[in-house]
Amino acid sequence: AQSVAQPEDQVNVAEGNPLTVKCTYSVSGNPYLFWYVQYPNRGLQFLLKYITGDNLVKGSYGFEAEFNKSQTSFHLKKPSALVSDSALYFCAVRDKGSSYKLIFGSGTRLLVRP
Amino acid sequence: KAGVTQTPRYLIKTRGQQVTLSCSPISGHRSVSWYQQTPGQGLQFLFEYFSETQRNKGNFPGRFSGRQFSNSRSEMNVSTLELGDSALYLCASSPGGGSQNTGELFFGEGSRLTVL
Repeated sequence: AQSVAQPEDQVNVAEGNPLTVKCTYSVSGNPYLFWYVQYPNRGLQFLLKYITGDNLVKGSYGFEAEFNKSQTSFHLKKPSALVSDSALYFCAVRDKGSSYKLIFGSGTRLLVRP
Repeated sequence: KAGVTQTPRYLIKTRGQQVTLSCSPISGHRSVSWYQQTPGQGLQFLFEYFSETQRNKGNFPGRFSGRQFSNSRSEMNVSTLELGDSALYLCASSPGGGSQNTGELFFGEGSRLTVL
């Protein structure tokens, strides 16, 4: 079965420092991987996706993610964190088959301190 | 282009009642999915509809049901509400179909249900 794991409940980083939010996956076949962000009392916003091609994927708001097949990881990164990046981040993998079901990780809360 | 619209945004019900939540997808999108978000269980898939047909269903009891209309709008219903049904219910749409659709979902703001 497809699954993703986010090993950190919370990540703390100072504004201006680089940030990394970790995600590992377990899939059969080629993975379709996604990152979403959720601000308080809001829905999920799509950040970026990996389908195929370059291992470094660039997305919204200056975020990027690196797909690493050997380590089965898809970590989210940003070179310089902003206080406004503080939110809940979800990694997800598309389930197998023709439907568009996403399987989400447990989420990582990112706190960027001024 | 308008985003995914969910109504109502907030509602309070009591145990035993039933509730209907509505979702209007992005114009042109034919796939609608529903997710339940709770602090304890995280994001859990409820069901997905495409062209009025349920294409996939999550592991929820039969009290949870849904449907999709010909205009792609969708509703979900929860009958005989329990305290544990308190959650944020998220609707997401996707173009659906076709090899160019890589499957990212576009979410609404959610309907926050509180069961007392």
